[in-house]
Amino acid sequence: EAAVTQSPRNKVTVTGGNVTLSCRQTNSHNYMYWYRQDTGHGLRLIHYSYGAGNLQIGDVPDGYKATRTTQEDFFLLLELASPSQTSLYFCASSAQGNYAEQFFGPGTRLTVL
Amino acid sequence: QQKVQQSPESLIVPEGGMASLNCTSSDRNVDYFWWYRQHSGKSPKMLMSIFSNGEKEEGRFTVHLNKASLHTSLHIRDSQPSDSALYLCAARRSNNRIFFGDGTQLVVKP
Repeated sequence: EAAVTQSPRNKVTVTGGNVTLSCRQTNSHNYMYWYRQDTGHGLRLIHYSYGAGNLQIGDVPDGYKATRTTQEDFFLLLELASPSQTSLYFCASSAQGNYAEQFFGPGTRLTVL
Repeated sequence: QQKVQQSPESLIVPEGGMASLNCTSSDRNVDYFWWYRQHSGKSPKMLMSIFSNGEKEEGRFTVHLNKASLHTSLHIRDSQPSDSALYLCAARRSNNRIFFGDGTQLVVKP
C-alpha cells in the first residue's frame, strides 16, 4: 500500500510565527497535494505539484507557500501564521494519470494561538 | 462556489439497515467520481470510484452514476457500526483538478 508520512503530527505556534509542515511519499507518485480540513468544509486544496520543482495553486492558497524539493518531498510553509490557519492538514499523493486514487498521510494538527 | 454538493449532511441508520448518500456536481466538465471514507481521527481512504453510467457493486457497497445529471450515490446495505464515518465525494474535472464535497457524517446505531 502507498506510504505517505507527515511531520510533525501536532504543532502549536503563536500568531505571526513561522511553520513548516513536511510530507514524504515513497510510492514514486508524481502528484502531491496539500489540503486543509475544517469542520463543515470537507477537504480544501491549498497547493499541489506534479513533479519536483513544480507548484500549482489550489483553491485556498492565501497565506501559504509550498515547495516540492524532490519527487518524494513536499513542504507547506506558513510564514506569518494566523489563528484562521488553525486546522487539520493532510498531504496526499497520486500516480500520474487521469483517474488515479489519492493516498493520504496521517495529518498534522496545527494550532495557532 | 461549491462544485460538489453532498447530502444529507448527517445520517443515522440502524445496524443492518441501508444507508444512502448523495453527491452532485455543479460543474459540467466533471467526468469521474470517487467516494472516500474517513473514520474519526484517521485520514481519508478511497472506497470506490465510478466514471461510467450505471452502477458498480463491491460487497455491501454499491455506487450509482448518472452522467447526464452528474449525480452519484453510494448505498451501504446491512450497515455495521464500523461503517460509521465521514463519507467524502470527490469529482474530477477534465483539466485534472479534483474537488471534494463537505461530506456526509454517517452513524450506524447498534
